[in-house]
Amino acid sequence: DAKTTQPNSMESNEEEPVHLPCNHSTISGTDYIHWYRQLPSQGPEYVIHGLTSNVNNRMASLAIAEDRKSSTLILHRATLRDAAVYYCILSPGGGADGLTFGKGTHLIIQP
Amino acid sequence: EAGVAQSPRYKIIEKRQSVAFWCNPISGHATLYWYQQILGQGPKLLIQFQNNGVVDDSQLPKDRFSAERLKGVDSTLKIQPAKLEDSAVYLCASSRQRAKNTEAFFGQGTRLTVV
Repeated sequence: DAKTTQPNSMESNEEEPVHLPCNHSTISGTDYIHWYRQLPSQGPEYVIHGLTSNVNNRMASLAIAEDRKSSTLILHRATLRDAAVYYCILSPGGGADGLTFGKGTHLIIQP
Repeated sequence: EAGVAQSPRYKIIEKRQSVAFWCNPISGHATLYWYQQILGQGPKLLIQFQNNGVVDDSQLPKDRFSAERLKGVDSTLKIQPAKLEDSAVYLCASSRQRAKNTEAFFGQGTRLTVV
């Protein structure tokens, strides 16, 4: 399985943008990049996904490097409720099959 | 729409005992997943169902774990007998179909403690 590398933890201030990096240098041409997050004592929650182009939704933006070997999840204005573990996952089929979660990035938001 | 329902939320058992977890996916979701999440780690897929058939159970410890989804709706995951290392959160998830651009919806999980 193609693997991803994320920082163990990051810290940001409330109401500021947050950029969460993910490296996936062994990504294949058909792998989609998915992001999920897990709030304390909750199951993971889908955030966003993309293949080649940058993507935006109501929760976040996903910026994908031109060579697709890295991506960045962008939270435009962090709130305390965004404190969670963020997982960057490669999906061979593009969907939810066989998601392989790493340890993710623990995002800490300071008030 | 209602989310993925799991029960119980918490369970404490002694080693070598049996335990069962129940999951009701979102209505209309054909695909159901069971994940195991050990403290400090990301979730690990145990088994995936498409309707009532098994798609992937390569990481399920079949000597002690079993799962079924008889009518293609709700599912149970059983551990018999439990070991100390089975202490974890067991997460159920569902998705509408096996296709691109689909996402998994997770339940809150069942926290199992084996003593």
